[in-house]
Amino acid sequence: EVQLVESGGGLVQPGGSLRLSCAASGFIVSRNYMTWVRLAPGRGLEWVAGIYSAGDSYYTDSVKGRFTISRDNSENTLHLQMDNLRLEDTAVYYCARRVDTTRVLDPWGQGALVTVSS
Amino acid sequence: IVMTQTPLSSPVTLGQPASISCRSSQSLVHSDGNTYLSWLQQRPGQPPRLLIYMISNRFSGVPDRFSGSGAGTDFTLKISKVEAEDVGVYYCMQTTQSPLTFGGGTKVEIK
Repeated sequence: EVQLVESGGGLVQPGGSLRLSCAASGFIVSRNYMTWVRLAPGRGLEWVAGIYSAGDSYYTDSVKGRFTISRDNSENTLHLQMDNLRLEDTAVYYCARRVDTTRVLDPWGQGALVTVSS
Repeated sequence: IVMTQTPLSSPVTLGQPASISCRSSQSLVHSDGNTYLSWLQQRPGQPPRLLIYMISNRFSGVPDRFSGSGAGTDFTLKISKVEAEDVGVYYCMQTTQSPLTFGGGTKVEIK
Protein backbone atom coordinates (compact mmCIF):
# COMPACT_ATOMS: atom_id res chain seq x y z
CA GLU A 1 0.00 0.00 0.00
CA VAL A 2 1.24 3.45 -0.91
CA GLN A 3 1.30 5.52 2.27
CA LEU A 4 2.88 8.52 3.99
CA VAL A 5 3.09 8.82 7.78
CA GLU A 6 4.11 12.10 9.36
CA SER A 7 5.69 12.86 12.70
CA GLY A 8 7.41 15.71 14.50
CA GLY A 9 4.75 18.36 14.99
CA GLY A 10 4.35 20.26 18.24
CA LEU A 11 4.36 23.55 20.14
CA VAL A 12 7.33 25.86 19.71
CA GLN A 13 8.11 29.44 20.66
CA PRO A 14 8.71 32.13 18.03
CA GLY A 15 12.28 31.88 16.78
CA GLY A 16 12.44 28.20 17.61
CA SER A 17 12.97 25.16 15.40
CA LEU A 18 11.10 21.99 14.57
CA ARG A 19 11.72 19.09 12.20
CA LEU A 20 8.91 17.25 10.47
CA SER A 21 9.36 13.76 9.07
CA CYS A 22 7.31 11.91 6.47
CA ALA A 23 7.94 8.17 6.20
CA ALA A 24 6.93 6.56 2.92
CA SER A 25 5.91 3.00 2.17
CA GLY A 26 4.99 1.40 -1.13
CA PHE A 27 7.17 3.68 -3.24
CA ILE A 28 10.63 5.24 -3.24
CA VAL A 29 10.81 8.85 -2.10
CA SER A 30 13.97 9.68 -4.04
CA ARG A 31 12.36 8.71 -7.37
CA ASN A 32 9.47 11.15 -6.99
CA TYR A 33 8.77 14.84 -6.66
CA MET A 34 7.80 15.30 -3.02
CA THR A 35 6.18 18.32 -1.50
CA TRP A 36 5.00 19.95 1.73
CA VAL A 37 1.68 21.78 1.84
CA ARG A 38 0.21 23.57 4.85
CA LEU A 39 -3.24 24.60 6.07
CA ALA A 40 -3.19 27.55 8.43
CA PRO A 41 -6.19 28.42 10.64
CA GLY A 42 -8.85 30.23 8.66
CA ARG A 43 -6.89 29.95 5.43
CA GLY A 44 -6.66 27.65 2.42
CA LEU A 45 -4.07 25.16 1.32
CA GLU A 46 -0.63 26.62 0.60
CA TRP A 47 2.34 24.98 -1.10
CA VAL A 48 5.43 25.31 1.10
CA ALA A 49 8.34 23.41 -0.47
CA GLY A 50 9.17 20.72 -2.98
CA ILE A 51 12.11 18.51 -3.92
CA TYR A 52 12.64 16.84 -7.28
CA SER A 53 14.13 13.40 -7.82
CA ALA A 54 17.33 15.10 -9.05
CA GLY A 55 17.61 16.80 -5.67
CA ASP A 56 16.82 20.40 -6.56
CA SER A 57 14.48 22.06 -4.09
CA TYR A 58 12.17 25.06 -4.12
CA TYR A 59 10.33 27.10 -1.49
CA THR A 60 7.52 29.56 -1.23
CA ASP A 61 8.89 33.07 -0.61
CA SER A 62 7.71 33.35 2.99
CA VAL A 63 9.84 30.38 4.14
CA LYS A 64 12.97 30.85 2.02
CA GLY A 65 16.08 30.87 4.17
CA ARG A 66 14.20 29.44 7.15
CA PHE A 67 12.89 26.03 5.98
CA THR A 68 14.86 23.20 4.40
CA ILE A 69 13.35 20.23 2.61
CA SER A 70 15.46 17.09 2.44
CA ARG A 71 15.20 13.33 2.19
CA ASP A 72 16.88 10.37 3.81
CA ASN A 73 17.12 7.72 1.13
CA SER A 74 18.19 4.99 3.55
CA GLU A 75 15.04 5.58 5.61
CA ASN A 76 12.82 6.40 2.59
CA THR A 77 11.77 9.52 4.47
CA LEU A 78 11.13 13.16 3.61
CA HIS A 79 11.98 15.91 6.10
CA LEU A 80 11.15 19.56 6.62
CA GLN A 81 13.54 21.44 8.91
CA MET A 82 11.84 24.61 10.11
CA ASP A 83 14.03 27.28 11.75
CA ASN A 84 13.32 30.77 13.03
CA LEU A 85 9.62 29.94 13.22
CA ARG A 86 7.07 32.73 13.20
CA LEU A 87 3.53 32.97 14.54
CA GLU A 88 2.22 32.83 10.98
CA ASP A 89 3.85 29.42 10.42
CA THR A 90 1.21 27.89 12.69
CA ALA A 91 -0.56 25.30 10.53
CA VAL A 92 -1.16 21.65 9.82
CA TYR A 93 1.64 20.49 7.53
CA TYR A 94 1.03 17.74 4.98
CA CYS A 95 3.56 15.86 2.90
CA ALA A 96 2.51 14.49 -0.47
CA ARG A 97 3.91 12.76 -3.53
CA ARG A 98 3.32 14.09 -7.01
CA VAL A 99 2.53 11.32 -9.46
CA ASP A 100 4.55 11.88 -12.66
CA THR A 101 2.01 10.83 -15.27
CA THR A 102 -1.00 12.74 -13.97
CA ARG A 103 0.77 15.34 -11.79
CA VAL A 104 -1.71 14.73 -8.99
CA LEU A 105 -0.74 14.80 -5.33
CA ASP A 106 -1.30 11.30 -3.99
CA PRO A 107 -0.96 10.01 -1.37
CA TRP A 108 -1.05 12.65 1.36
CA GLY A 109 0.24 12.27 4.88
CA GLN A 110 -2.20 12.51 7.76
CA GLY A 111 -0.88 15.95 8.74
CA ALA A 112 1.34 17.30 11.52
CA LEU A 113 0.18 20.24 13.63
CA VAL A 114 2.78 22.94 14.21
CA THR A 115 1.85 25.63 16.72
CA VAL A 116 4.10 28.65 17.11
CA SER A 117 3.20 30.54 20.26
CA SER A 118 4.83 32.28 23.20
CA ILE B 1 -0.57 31.03 -11.48
CA VAL B 2 -3.39 32.45 -9.35
CA MET B 3 -6.42 30.22 -8.90
CA THR B 4 -9.73 31.91 -8.04
CA GLN B 5 -12.66 29.87 -6.75
CA THR B 6 -16.29 30.85 -6.42
CA PRO B 7 -18.37 30.79 -4.35
CA LEU B 8 -16.59 30.93 -0.99
CA SER B 9 -19.48 29.06 0.59
CA SER B 10 -22.23 26.90 -0.85
CA PRO B 11 -25.17 25.96 1.41
CA VAL B 12 -26.98 23.09 -0.30
CA THR B 13 -30.08 21.05 0.44
CA LEU B 14 -29.48 17.29 0.65
CA GLY B 15 -30.16 15.67 -2.71
CA GLN B 16 -29.75 18.92 -4.61
CA PRO B 17 -26.86 19.75 -6.96
CA ALA B 18 -23.85 21.91 -6.17
CA SER B 19 -21.43 23.62 -8.49
CA ILE B 20 -18.02 25.21 -7.85
CA SER B 21 -16.10 27.35 -10.31
CA CYS B 22 -12.36 27.78 -10.60
CA ARG B 23 -10.57 30.26 -12.83
CA SER B 24 -6.83 30.41 -13.45
CA SER B 25 -4.87 33.58 -14.22
CA GLN B 26 -3.38 31.91 -17.29
CA SER B 27 -4.01 28.86 -19.42
CA LEU B 28 -3.38 25.54 -17.71
CA VAL B 29 -2.60 23.72 -20.95
CA HIS B 30 0.86 22.19 -20.57
CA SER B 31 3.35 22.00 -23.43
CA ASP B 32 2.61 18.27 -23.56
CA GLY B 33 -1.01 19.10 -24.45
CA ASN B 34 -2.50 18.00 -21.12
CA THR B 35 -4.27 20.24 -18.61
CA TYR B 36 -3.23 19.48 -15.04
CA LEU B 37 -6.21 20.74 -13.09
CA SER B 38 -7.37 18.70 -10.09
CA TRP B 39 -10.12 18.95 -7.50
CA LEU B 40 -9.59 18.01 -3.87
CA GLN B 41 -12.01 17.51 -0.99
CA GLN B 42 -10.99 18.19 2.59
CA ARG B 43 -13.28 17.04 5.37
CA PRO B 44 -12.74 18.51 8.85
CA GLY B 45 -9.72 17.02 10.58
CA GLN B 46 -8.67 14.99 7.56
CA PRO B 47 -6.01 15.43 4.88
CA PRO B 48 -7.08 16.49 1.40
CA ARG B 49 -8.49 13.75 -0.80
CA LEU B 50 -8.12 13.68 -4.59
CA LEU B 51 -11.48 13.65 -6.40
CA ILE B 52 -10.84 14.67 -10.01
CA TYR B 53 -7.65 14.95 -12.05
CA MET B 54 -6.82 16.37 -15.49
CA ILE B 55 -10.10 18.31 -15.55
CA SER B 56 -12.58 15.45 -15.69
CA ASN B 57 -11.12 12.11 -14.60
CA ARG B 58 -12.54 10.68 -11.40
CA PHE B 59 -9.93 9.21 -9.08
CA SER B 60 -10.23 5.64 -7.83
CA GLY B 61 -13.16 5.17 -5.45
CA VAL B 62 -14.76 8.57 -6.11
CA PRO B 63 -18.55 8.37 -6.51
CA ASP B 64 -19.92 9.23 -9.94
CA ARG B 65 -22.01 12.08 -8.51
CA PHE B 66 -18.76 14.09 -8.74
CA SER B 67 -17.84 15.41 -12.18
CA GLY B 68 -15.39 17.93 -13.57
CA SER B 69 -15.40 19.98 -16.74
CA GLY B 70 -13.78 22.97 -18.37
CA ALA B 71 -10.84 24.00 -20.48
CA GLY B 72 -8.08 26.59 -20.69
CA THR B 73 -8.69 28.88 -17.72
CA ASP B 74 -12.24 28.02 -16.60
CA PHE B 75 -13.18 24.87 -14.75
CA THR B 76 -16.15 23.50 -12.82
CA LEU B 77 -16.75 20.81 -10.24
CA LYS B 78 -20.31 19.54 -9.96
CA ILE B 79 -21.94 17.33 -7.37
CA SER B 80 -25.14 15.97 -8.90
CA LYS B 81 -26.93 15.19 -5.63
CA VAL B 82 -25.24 16.33 -2.44
CA GLU B 83 -25.02 13.81 0.37
CA ALA B 84 -24.21 14.46 4.04
CA GLU B 85 -20.71 13.02 3.63
CA ASP B 86 -19.91 15.66 0.99
CA VAL B 87 -19.65 18.40 3.61
CA GLY B 88 -16.19 19.94 3.59
CA VAL B 89 -13.95 22.35 1.75
CA TYR B 90 -13.22 21.84 -1.92
CA TYR B 91 -10.08 23.10 -3.64
CA CYS B 92 -8.98 23.30 -7.24
CA MET B 93 -5.27 22.85 -7.80
CA GLN B 94 -3.04 23.37 -10.82
CA THR B 95 0.17 21.43 -11.37
CA THR B 96 0.77 22.57 -14.94
CA GLN B 97 3.32 25.13 -13.86
CA SER B 98 5.62 25.27 -10.84
CA PRO B 99 4.96 26.16 -8.16
CA LEU B 100 1.69 24.30 -7.85
CA THR B 101 -1.10 26.53 -6.60
CA PHE B 102 -4.50 26.09 -5.02
CA GLY B 103 -7.76 27.94 -5.22
CA GLY B 104 -8.92 29.59 -2.02
CA GLY B 105 -11.41 26.86 -1.25
CA THR B 106 -15.21 26.52 -1.28
CA LYS B 107 -17.03 25.36 1.82
CA VAL B 108 -19.94 23.03 1.06
CA GLU B 109 -22.44 22.80 3.88
CA ILE B 110 -25.94 21.46 4.31
CA LYS B 111 -28.80 23.95 4.65
